Formats: sequence, structure tokens, C-alpha cells
Amino acid sequence: QKEVEQNSGPLSVPEGAIASLNCTYSDRGSQSFFWYRQYSGKSPELIMSIYSNGDKEDGRFTAQLNKASQYVSLLIRDSQPSDSATYLCAVTGGYQKVTFGTGTKLQVIP
Amino acid sequence: DTGVSQDPRHKITKRGQNVTFRCDPISEHNRLYWYRQTLGQGPEFLTYFQNEAQLEKSRLLSDRFSAERPKGSFSTLEIQRTEQGDSAMYLCASSPGLEGPQHFGDGTRLSIL
Repeated sequence: QKEVEQNSGPLSVPEGAIASLNCTYSDRGSQSFFWYRQYSGKSPELIMSIYSNGDKEDGRFTAQLNKASQYVSLLIRDSQPSDSATYLCAVTGGYQKVTFGTGTKLQVIP
Repeated sequence: DTGVSQDPRHKITKRGQNVTFRCDPISEHNRLYWYRQTLGQGPEFLTYFQNEAQLEKSRLLSDRFSAERPKGSFSTLEIQRTEQGDSAMYLCASSPGLEGPQHFGDGTRLSIL
């Protein structure tokens, strides 16, 4: 079992729709959770961080964390073509190690 | 502060040569990380520093790889006797501490001929 798992996609959504990206992790001691956006050929860019159970909203982005079920998700409302990118989930585990998932490729169709 | 800076942006070298990359973190960040990323994969952890101390190295990091952060500021990553499989994007990131998010540099793309 991978430490951080994401569906590689591509996930295709029409412009204006809600995109839902999911991530599961194996280390129950994980403390910090991050979502990064990565455009092709570029480095990852931080979008959201979440540390406690529940929802955290920032503009069109909402991160959701459920530690009991060991999953974290990212919702993108009113998806735009500029949101087309690979979204990486990152988890800081109990041994202070940050582990990234392989990413989910999102395509927003105009 | 302009963020994390990496140099060079691109490096092309022949197999068997040594290469060295540099990373300048955000000045107030005490943690510095090195990752390797290949096409279609997430960043793969290589090593990290807290100030000048190297606290963890990935088991995937062979003895051809070495990293330093001599004064707790910039860091270098050296690869000796490069191999074809070393071709990748090498990313550096820094954070203000364990719980803080990491901020990435633009990366160094290494191509081995």
C-alpha cells in the first residue's frame, strides 16, 4: 500500500463545475496535510494546508480532512480552464517525513 | 524575499560526470528539502536539513548523492558518476518548521546524455 494515494486521472470537468480531488494516506500519525498545484514543466505551488478535521475554505478552494477515515480532499468550485493542472496531495507523517502522492491530473473543458 | 532559488535551471551532462546543484531557501526558513521528480510522478523525497544538520536521507539515495548545508543557509546537492537514471527534475523546498508548508524553487532539470 502506498503511503499517499491519489487517482492519477485525468479528471475532466466542464468549466463552471465543481472538481473534487481525493487523497488517502496510510500513516495514522499524520499531522499536516497540503494540496499543491503543478503545471506542466513547473514546480509545485501551495494551494491549501489543513491540520484539523473538517473543512477549510479559501476562495474557490475547499480542503476537507477526515482523520478517522484517513482521507483529505480538495474541492474547486466554478472550475476554470486555468485550473487545469496536476494536483498533488502531501502529508507530514509521524516521523516528520513529508510524502507526496503521484498527483491527479485535472482538465477543465471550456 | 523572492522565494526559493535554484541554480542552474537546466543541466545537460555526459554519463559519468559529476554535477552540483545549489538551492537558496527563503531566508527565515530553517528547514530545507531536496526532492527528485520524474514524469508522471510526485516529488520523491531525497533528504532534508534543519539548519545545518542533515536529519534524514532517503534509502533511495545512493552513495553517489551527497548534500550539504554548511552554514544553515544555502544547500548543495552533488551527484557523482551520473547515470542515465539520474535524469529528472531536482526540486528544493524550504519551510519555517515541521508543520509549515513547503515552498518550492523552480527546480533544476538534469539530462544525462
